Amino acid sequence: QQQVKQSPQSLIVQKGGISIINCAYENTAFDYFPWYQQFPGKGPALLIAIRPDVSEKKEGRFTISFNKSAKQFSLHIMDSQPGDSATYFCAASVAPGAAGNKLTFGGGTRVLVKP
Amino acid sequence: DAGVIQSPRHEVTEMGQEVTLRCKPISGHNSLFWYRQTMMRGLELLIYFNNNVPIDDSGMPEDRFSAKMPNASFSTLKIQPSEPRDSAVYFCASTRGQGAYGYTFGSGTRLTVV
Repeated sequence: QQQVKQSPQSLIVQKGGISIINCAYENTAFDYFPWYQQFPGKGPALLIAIRPDVSEKKEGRFTISFNKSAKQFSLHIMDSQPGDSATYFCAASVAPGAAGNKLTFGGGTRVLVKP
Repeated sequence: DAGVIQSPRHEVTEMGQEVTLRCKPISGHNSLFWYRQTMMRGLELLIYFNNNVPIDDSGMPEDRFSAKMPNASFSTLKIQPSEPRDSAVYFCASTRGQGAYGYTFGSGTRLTVV
């Protein structure tokens, strides 16, 4: 059962363009929504994260938008650069507690930024 | 900070052989996770430990898979006997305290079973 659905599976964007990746979840107990970035041959690394009490969070060129009623959240990469070419994963977890350490990942989106 | 250290980086083995993957979490992190990554299934949580105790092993695919964490600085994932469908990249991750905040992943072990 895939609890976090991510789309698209891949996207190509020109340098300077905007990359948008979407995720949808079903479990209303999810309380924490991070995005991870993975380069070839490396493990995923935390990029940015949001809690459901805010609708948007921005860190540099990366912005998370969160829609609690629709159970959706998205990652926007502004002014995309070739160095942003990587696979991006959304994830979710419930509040801290017995199961609160467990992250459920989306299927991943491979982003290619063309120079 | 050396990060999460996994060994070996690459492993090629023959079907039926025993495979042991190793992980050293970040010092002070009390939760450790084993994930498997494949093209078809993405990142799957196999098992996780909190304070060296297995909390959730529901993702372990079969009895051929086992994991241990004898102390706070070491964990192993063992596959016996290995099968070609076990070929994947296996990641170890660790974090501190309650909640899933700030997972740090290792660089992974690429396992190929021929």
